[in-house]
Amino acid sequence: SQKIEQNSEALNIQEGKTATLTCNYTNYSPAYLQWYRQDPGRGPVFLLLIRENEKEKRKERLKVTFDTTLKQSLFHITASQPADSATYLCALPSAGGSYIPTFGRGTSLIVHP
Amino acid sequence: SAVISQKPSRDICQRGTSLTIQCQVDSQVTMMFWYRQQPGQSLTLIATANQGSEATYESGFVIDKFPISRPNLTFSTLTVSNMSPEDSSIYLCSVVNDGTGNQPQHFGDGTRLSIL
Repeated sequence: SQKIEQNSEALNIQEGKTATLTCNYTNYSPAYLQWYRQDPGRGPVFLLLIRENEKEKRKERLKVTFDTTLKQSLFHITASQPADSATYLCALPSAGGSYIPTFGRGTSLIVHP
Repeated sequence: SAVISQKPSRDICQRGTSLTIQCQVDSQVTMMFWYRQQPGQSLTLIATANQGSEATYESGFVIDKFPISRPNLTFSTLTVSNMSPEDSSIYLCSVVNDGTGNQPQHFGDGTRLSIL
């Protein structure tokens, strides 16, 4: 069955460095992948969508890559700031043909000043 | 993007009681969904709220336990019935403006539910 894996351990980095988060998936070939940010006590907020024919997508300090051979997406935040501290979720459309996304567990990012 | 209001934001309930959660959107949307998120876990889809008809439930969720209404394109309710401590979770409403796929979901801030 479809499986989405995100590192359950929090990622701690220093302000100004680049944060890189990983989303791996198995038993599936999604047409696209989404990344969301979730702050404590809030709902997830959509950040970026990348399609299977796109290798890379950028939005301001954010960059997402999508390697369909490795079945992996990397999410980068350059020049990270303490305000970037949050949980980041990746989401893929469900394998059964429904476009309703299935979410990963998310990785917590903590940026230290 | 759509602005979604969920009520209540949190509640503490007694075992055996029921609670209805409301989701109001500031514009008409194609799709509305209800998710559950337990601490440290991913979002689990409960059901798709269908306007004017019965909701479509995911495996493991049933209408008797989680009745859902969607009377129009901007409003939906989720009821958690006969609650037990295992129902303690965050319940989230989300919407999609376009029903054709690969569109982002917009979420409310959730209802944090604790059952004693």
